[in-house]
Amino acid sequence: GDSVTQMEGPVTLSEEAFLTINCTYTATGYPSLFWYVQYPGEGLQLLLKATKADDKGSNKGFEATYRKETTSFHLEKGSVQVSDSAVYFCARTQGGSEKLVFGKGTKLTVNP
Amino acid sequence: EAGVAQSPRYKIIEKRQSVAFWCNPISGHATLYWYQQILGQGPKLLIQFQNNGVVDDSQLPKDRFSAERLKGVDSTLKIQPAKLEDSAVYLCASSTFSRQGRGYTFGSGTRLTVV
Repeated sequence: GDSVTQMEGPVTLSEEAFLTINCTYTATGYPSLFWYVQYPGEGLQLLLKATKADDKGSNKGFEATYRKETTSFHLEKGSVQVSDSAVYFCARTQGGSEKLVFGKGTKLTVNP
Repeated sequence: EAGVAQSPRYKIIEKRQSVAFWCNPISGHATLYWYQQILGQGPKLLIQFQNNGVVDDSQLPKDRFSAERLKGVDSTLKIQPAKLEDSAVYLCASSTFSRQGRGYTFGSGTRLTVV
């Protein structure tokens, strides 16, 4: 069935390092794609989204581009901060009901 | 606008007991979802409502889980009897469709521990 595959974590970076978290999706239908972030002890927050091929979502310095040819939606940030430490989830809509299907999550830790 | 409200925030019960969670979605959002998030995993959809009708409950363990959304607003999710493997965070979300596409808003979740 429809699925989302994220790179395995955890990911540990130093402050100001470049971040990439890979995400690929199964190419069925025309899904919308999302990145959600979950800070410790909190719920899911939408980070960015893209609704069609070649769209770029961006927010708080994070970016991801909807690549239909590679079925990917990789998350990038040029310079991470300690406050970016969280778990990041890639997700896609599925089917006519447009429910969200999530990847397993990638834990990011940024050290000072 | 107010977010998605959930209660309780935490719950600890013994196995074989019953438990209920409550969710109040964003006003005007017709679609409501319950997700189960086991530690270290991504959220998994349990049930989706459109107004007060069930759209998808294919992954709801119906022998022990039940959910309702009376009057198409608030929703409750019940587990009876609970098992150890039900320990998880239960997330409620609501969504609506706009010019920017479908937008989803999640509550803070209820963390359930079954001992």
